[in-house]
Amino acid sequence: NAGVMQNPRHLVRRRGQEARLRCSPMKGHSHVYWYRQLPEEGLKFMVYLQKENIIDESGMPKERFSAEFPKEGPSILRIQQVVRGDSAAYFCASSIRGRTTDTQYFGPGTRLTVL
Amino acid sequence: QQQVKQSPQSLIVQKGGIPIINCAYENTAFDYFPWYQQFPGKGPALLIAIRPDVSEKKEGRFTISFNKSAKQFSLHIMDSQPGDSATYFCAASTNDYKLSFGAGTTVTVRA
Repeated sequence: NAGVMQNPRHLVRRRGQEARLRCSPMKGHSHVYWYRQLPEEGLKFMVYLQKENIIDESGMPKERFSAEFPKEGPSILRIQQVVRGDSAAYFCASSIRGRTTDTQYFGPGTRLTVL
Repeated sequence: QQQVKQSPQSLIVQKGGIPIINCAYENTAFDYFPWYQQFPGKGPALLIAIRPDVSEKKEGRFTISFNKSAKQFSLHIMDSQPGDSATYFCAASTNDYKLSFGAGTTVTVRA
C-alpha cells in the first residue's frame, strides 16, 4: 500500500507565478489535510478536505490560496501570484476518517521556493 | 501565536544517552498529544501518542510523560541510537482533526 504521495517534491517559481501542489492520499483514505512548514517552525494547519468538500479552511490565507479535492484525482493546493513569503514546505496528510484518533499519515512534502 | 511550545530547539547526545524533549500548552481543551518524527527530506511520521487520562506511555524505547496539572508533556528516548537522529515534533489537538505543532527539536545522537 503506497503512502501519501506528493508532487512535485521541489518547485521553483518566480514572484507572480502560480504554484500547483498535488497530493494523492493513501488508498482508502478520503480525508486530506494540508499543512505549511516555514523554516525553523512547526507545521501549521491550512485546510481540511473530504472528497468534493472543503470542511475547514480556517488556516489558509483568504487571498491567493485555494484547495480542492475532486471526486477523481489528487487534492490540489493552488497558490496564485506567489510571493517570497510563500516559500515553505507544504505537507499533505490523509486519514481514513476525520477523527482525532485517526492517524494522519504525511507525505514527503513539496518544497516551494519563490525567487 | 504558537499553541504548543517546544524545547530545546536542538540537542546532541552520545549513543546510549536519553534525549528529553519538553512541550507545554495553554489550551485545556487539548485532549490528544502525538509526537512525530521527521527525517530530512521526509514527511513527519507518527511515533507515539497519549491522552491526558494517563501519565505515562511507553512504546519500545520511546516514552511520553504527561503532567496534566502543569500542562506539560515530554518525550524520552531511551538508549538512543544514531538512527534516532531526526527532528521531533510534539503536537496537540482538541476533539477534532486540527493538529497544533511545536516548533520541533533536532536530535543528534553521536556514535
